[in-house]
Amino acid sequence: GAVVSQHPSWVICKSGTSVKIECRSLDFQATTMFWYRQFPKQSLMLMATSNEGSKATYEQGVEKDKFLINHASLTLSTLTVTSAHPEDSSFYICSAKPAAGYGYTFGSGTRLTVV
Amino acid sequence: AQRVTQPEKLLSVFKGAPVELKCNYSYSGSPELFWYVQYSRQRLQLLLRHISRESIKGFTADLNKGETSFHLKKPFAQEEDSAMYYCALKGGGADGLTFGKGTHLIIQP
Repeated sequence: GAVVSQHPSWVICKSGTSVKIECRSLDFQATTMFWYRQFPKQSLMLMATSNEGSKATYEQGVEKDKFLINHASLTLSTLTVTSAHPEDSSFYICSAKPAAGYGYTFGSGTRLTVV
Repeated sequence: AQRVTQPEKLLSVFKGAPVELKCNYSYSGSPELFWYVQYSRQRLQLLLRHISRESIKGFTADLNKGETSFHLKKPFAQEEDSAMYYCALKGGGADGLTFGKGTHLIIQP
C-alpha cells in the first residue's frame, strides 16, 4: 500500500534556529501534500497545502514566512520552521494525496521541541 | 466555515459491547466524511469513508445529512479496537481535511 515517510521523527533545536522536516511518498507520486500541526490533546490543524511545482496555499493564521514549504518533486515536500521559538513546539504531520487514485496517506509525524 | 465535532474525548466500553463514536459536522455544501484511526504509537490510518459505504473491521458509519452526523458504530467491540478515532471532513474544492478532536476508545476486557 501507499507509504509516506516523514523525517525526522523527533527533533530538539535551540530557539532562533531553523528546522527542516521532510515528507516523502515512497511508492507513489503525490501531486498534493498537506502539513498539519497537532497540539497536545488537540486535533490536527491543517497548516498548508502544497502542490508540486507551485507555491503552497496556507490556511488563515499560518505565517508563510515562518513555515516555508517546498514541494519540488512528486515524491518530496519539505517544511522548514524558520527562527523557531518555544511556541512552535508541536507535533507536525504530513499527508500525501496520490496523483492517481484516491485517499490520503499520513506520515508518522515529527515531534519538534524548541528550547 | 467547516467544523467537525466529536463530543466524547474518552469512551470506555467492555469487550463484546456495542460501540458508537459520535461525529457531527458543520458544512454548507456536500461534504465527504472520513473516519481515521490511530493505534498506539502508529500513524493515522483511514478506517472508512462515507462514499464507499463499506464495513471495515466490523465498523460502519452512515452519513445523516439531516442530522449532520457521521457516527461510527460497531456491534461487538474487541480489545484490539482500542485506539484514537478521528472524524474528518473534506469540503468542496478544498483538498485538506478538517479533523475533529478525536475520541480515545478503550475496550476493557
